[in-house]
Amino acid sequence: EDQVTQSPEALRLQEGESSSLNCSYTVSGLRGLFWYRQDPGKGPEFLFTLYSAGEEKEKERLKATLTKKESFLHITAPKPEDSATYLCAAPNTDKLIFGTGTRLQVFP
Amino acid sequence: GAVVSQHPSRVICKSGTSVKIECRSLDFQATTMFWYRQFPKKSLMLMATSNEGSKATYEQGVEKDKFLINHASLTLSTLTVTSAHPEDSSFYICSARRGESEAFFGQGTRLTVV
Repeated sequence: EDQVTQSPEALRLQEGESSSLNCSYTVSGLRGLFWYRQDPGKGPEFLFTLYSAGEEKEKERLKATLTKKESFLHITAPKPEDSATYLCAAPNTDKLIFGTGTRLQVFP
Repeated sequence: GAVVSQHPSRVICKSGTSVKIECRSLDFQATTMFWYRQFPKKSLMLMATSNEGSKATYEQGVEKDKFLINHASLTLSTLTVTSAHPEDSSFYICSARRGESEAFFGQGTRLTVV
């Protein structure tokens, strides 16, 4: 069964304390791995698409990487405004399979 | 990124009435649109997938007569919650996808049924 699993479920960081979020997937014939950020009361905001193992993409303090079995979202020197829920998703036929997300809180 | 507009952002309705939520892809043609429901501090729960000009495909457990989906064009999909009850109160989010690329989400609609 195709599945996307995220860990940890919640993460509390001090401002400036770098860390990584994990997204592992078991989706046959992967056709992309997507990362989103969701703030409370809003729809998810698209961050990155990764298509092949070894690919990396960066945006400000975020860097997403992909292997054959998992993806990581690295957060370097986070700031309080990076606090949000981060979701990853993989397509399965015409649907997207979402992980349950990682709730990140960054404290000043 | 592409823009998906969802309207209204908040709606309060009386029990027994119907509510329509619109989802528009503003700068691309969406071959597929999705409707999700999200409970507090939970992940997205897919309700249905719709393709332009064809009937929506509903997920197991989602009542198609209660949640009517119309995908009238490549840029517009609507979700109508019929005969709404307090248990239908939730956060509803649409997303639009072009081909097999990433999906873009609307801002969400907070529905409160009183």
